[in-house]
Amino acid sequence: NAGVMQNPRHLVRRRGQEARLRCSPVKGHSHVYWYRQLPEEGLKFMVYLQKENIIDESGMPKERFSAEFPKEGPSILRIQQVVRGDSAAYFCASSPGLAAGELFFGEGSRLTVL
Amino acid sequence: SQELEQSPQSLIVQEGKNLTINCTSSKTLYGLYWYKQKYGEGLIFLMMLQKGGEEKSHEKITAKLDEKKQQSSLHITASQPSHAGIYLCGADENQGGKLIFGQGTELSVKP
Repeated sequence: NAGVMQNPRHLVRRRGQEARLRCSPVKGHSHVYWYRQLPEEGLKFMVYLQKENIIDESGMPKERFSAEFPKEGPSILRIQQVVRGDSAAYFCASSPGLAAGELFFGEGSRLTVL
Repeated sequence: SQELEQSPQSLIVQEGKNLTINCTSSKTLYGLYWYKQKYGEGLIFLMMLQKGGEEKSHEKITAKLDEKKQQSSLHITASQPSHAGIYLCGADENQGGKLIFGQGTELSVKP
């Protein structure tokens, strides 16, 4: 009965490198959400995906950030050419469907950009 | 877009005392969710409220949603150190499943 699994839990990158964060939703959940939590700030919505589709990416920065949720495998949040301001905790959540009540959150991936 | 404001931003209480955290929305809420986050960890679901005037309780935590569905409160009775953490309210913005969150209330409970 695994919950939402995120990896890596901690990731250190130098400026200019790429960061890939993975999220395996609760088994049977087809909806995945990514959130970012910056130091001293709240949880900010980034993107909402269903299998193979991006439903809402209104919270995604226009450049360097992308997300996917393929038919097989985990959802991936990709950050290209990272900058220090990307340092944050990135949380993934899943739900079984639209308006399905609570979101199940992972433990988060903490990205540090040196 | 909808905004959620939580008050207070931080709270320090003596063990055994009661406390209340508020969450106010700029728009009518379709669903209001309370989560708790411990430092360095993910979010743990506490309660969901959907109907105006609804009230739910779990152990020593009670959450209410006002009749207008624009304000919710979370009340903890006889607080314990295990209640310490960051409490976040989240709202279903458009019944599409996506939640937006308040900035959080950091609770410390002194033994």
